[in-house]
Amino acid sequence: DQQVKQNSPSLSVQEGRISILNCDYTNSMFDYFLWYKKYPAEGPTFLISISSIKDKNEDGRFTVFLNKSAKHLSLHIVPSQPGDSAVYFCAANSGTSYGKLTFGQGTILTVHP
Amino acid sequence: DGGITQSPKYLFRKEGQNVTLSCEQNLNHDAMYWYRQDPGQGLRLIYYSQIVNDFQKGDIAEGYSVSREKKESFPLTVTSAQKNPTAFYLCASSPLTGQGYGYTFGSGTRLTVV
Repeated sequence: DQQVKQNSPSLSVQEGRISILNCDYTNSMFDYFLWYKKYPAEGPTFLISISSIKDKNEDGRFTVFLNKSAKHLSLHIVPSQPGDSAVYFCAANSGTSYGKLTFGQGTILTVHP
Repeated sequence: DGGITQSPKYLFRKEGQNVTLSCEQNLNHDAMYWYRQDPGQGLRLIYYSQIVNDFQKGDIAEGYSVSREKKESFPLTVTSAQKNPTAFYLCASSPLTGQGYGYTFGSGTRLTVV
């Protein structure tokens, strides 16, 4: 049972445009969500997070939106840069999971110059 | 600098052999985790440990074993019972209290069966 789903395996955008990566979850106990960025042959690095008490969190070019009623979150990157090309993982946990994260399958983002 | 060190970066295993992947952290994190990454399947949890001398199975623990004798170390053994061990293995750690920290990951070990 995939509790966190990223239904788009890949996304291609032009440099300077907006990138929107989507993530859906099924477990209503999830109350904290994170996005990680991963380059090939490297470990993922933390990008941005959001608590379920918020619906938006912004950090520079990166904004995460949370729609709890739809169990959906999205990551917006504006403007997109070629260095943003990577795999992006959505992750979630709950207060009862003691830090254990559940990850989505990942979305490969390619930003073309 | 604090962080997580995984070694080796690349590992080749013959059929029927056990191999051990090393993971060491100096972040003073209580919890440590092992994940496996396969193409198109994201990160799947193998084992995790929240305290020394205790660990729990994740979603795909069959064919793997771990130990947690020290807070800083969480080695993973891939046994001959693991039928498809070729993958990219990631170790991570996190504080146990609170949920706002997420994980710190190591740089991974690429295991190939030859």
